Amino acid sequence: DAMVIQNPRYQVTQFGKPVTLSCSQTLNHNVMYWYQQKSSQAPKLLFHYYDKDFNNEADTPDNFQSRRPNTSFCFLDIRSPGLGDAAMYLCATSAGTGGPYYGYTFGSGTRLTVV
Amino acid sequence: AQSVTQPDIHITVSEGASLELRCNYSYGATPYLFWYVQSPGQGLQLLLKYFSGDTLVQGIKGFEAEFKRSQSSFNLRKPSVHWSDAAEYFCAVGARGNTPLVFGKGTRLSVIA
Repeated sequence: DAMVIQNPRYQVTQFGKPVTLSCSQTLNHNVMYWYQQKSSQAPKLLFHYYDKDFNNEADTPDNFQSRRPNTSFCFLDIRSPGLGDAAMYLCATSAGTGGPYYGYTFGSGTRLTVV
Repeated sequence: AQSVTQPDIHITVSEGASLELRCNYSYGATPYLFWYVQSPGQGLQLLLKYFSGDTLVQGIKGFEAEFKRSQSSFNLRKPSVHWSDAAEYFCAVGARGNTPLVFGKGTRLSVIA
């Protein structure tokens, strides 16, 4: 089945130690999104790629970076995680030119704990 | 910019009872509207979406939603809730083009016997 896969499902990292979360997709969608979701809050968009074009949200901290080496993979890098970065990180994809018309397909998320 | 309000943080219903989850949006033009469901520890799954046409849309798992432009609402309904419906429900609004979706804060649904 075509899907969005996030690895790992659970990640524990130390305060200040760089961490990378990964997302892969078999849908061949050209748009990929990273959302941060804290407990009992709405998913908050961090950034998205339209093909190779990177779009950063204005309020995304510089501590968060992203890479998309090809259509299938997208990475979220947190350079110096703080306690406030503990959250669920959701990757989603969509078929670009229709905007959200086809809906987003979400991965199962990575739960990040910072100790 | 678009925004979404889900007024109810937590709702508890009895199994077999009907359900309505409220969603109000703010957007100057005709919005794209969505309902997603999230089970604990999982990603979000699309229940249904509205773009145009018939204002009553049917989704998966027996859910439906009605778009009411005059009330800026897109409420989710189900006539008979099952215990497996217990989850977090998110309403989202989008716009034409590639503007990313904006999500509401969610409503947690608990189902009791």
